[in-house]
Amino acid sequence: DTAVSQTPKYLVTQMGNDKSIKCEQNLGHDTMYWYKQDSKKFLKIMFSYNNKELIINETVPNRFSPKSPDKAHLNLHINSLELGDSAVYFCASSQTGAGADTQYFGPGTRLTVL
Amino acid sequence: DQQVKQNSPSLSVQEGRISILNCDYTNSMFDYFLWYKKYPAEGPTFLISISSIKDKNEDGRFTVFLNKSAKHLSLHIVPSQPGDSAVYFCAASGWGNFNKFYFGSGTKLNVKP
Repeated sequence: DTAVSQTPKYLVTQMGNDKSIKCEQNLGHDTMYWYKQDSKKFLKIMFSYNNKELIINETVPNRFSPKSPDKAHLNLHINSLELGDSAVYFCASSQTGAGADTQYFGPGTRLTVL
Repeated sequence: DQQVKQNSPSLSVQEGRISILNCDYTNSMFDYFLWYKKYPAEGPTFLISISSIKDKNEDGRFTVFLNKSAKHLSLHIVPSQPGDSAVYFCAASGWGNFNKFYFGSGTKLNVKP
């Protein structure tokens, strides 16, 4: 039974399109995250939500909009996709969001923008 | 500006020998350090952690060492096994609520049978 799941696993799309990536966790955690793994392989945090409230919002273009309908779900919507958005996007969750909390990651969504 | 750095992109070790993966950080406010392991096409999975009040934490074949004065930590795997072949990410965060994890770029470990 998957703890943190993401759909789709692969996403290939044209520049200018709008796409969404969905994330669900069944761990009962309060905090969820979106990370981007860029071409240099660094995992960089984009957003964090705690109980549906936005907690961390890094310097991310406004084209990226996270939405948390409930604390088990955190979706990522991307408008007007650009070539530079091509990356692997990971969703994660943790119990409380404290610095000492272990974060549990989903399998990732590989986004390719053509 | 990367606050956590893993300067070795890859490491190759013979089965049964010790693997040592290194990580450096720049922010002296970091209080908590973790290692994650990642297989291809999977998300990172937690391996071992250490808080800044300790200088060593051991879990089976895995030991993490922290040198706060040098802002350096290392992960030792003894003995290394072929199943340990993966990418290892170092991460660091502060101790308070809603702290961000800062990840390094990973070291790809290959354990040869």
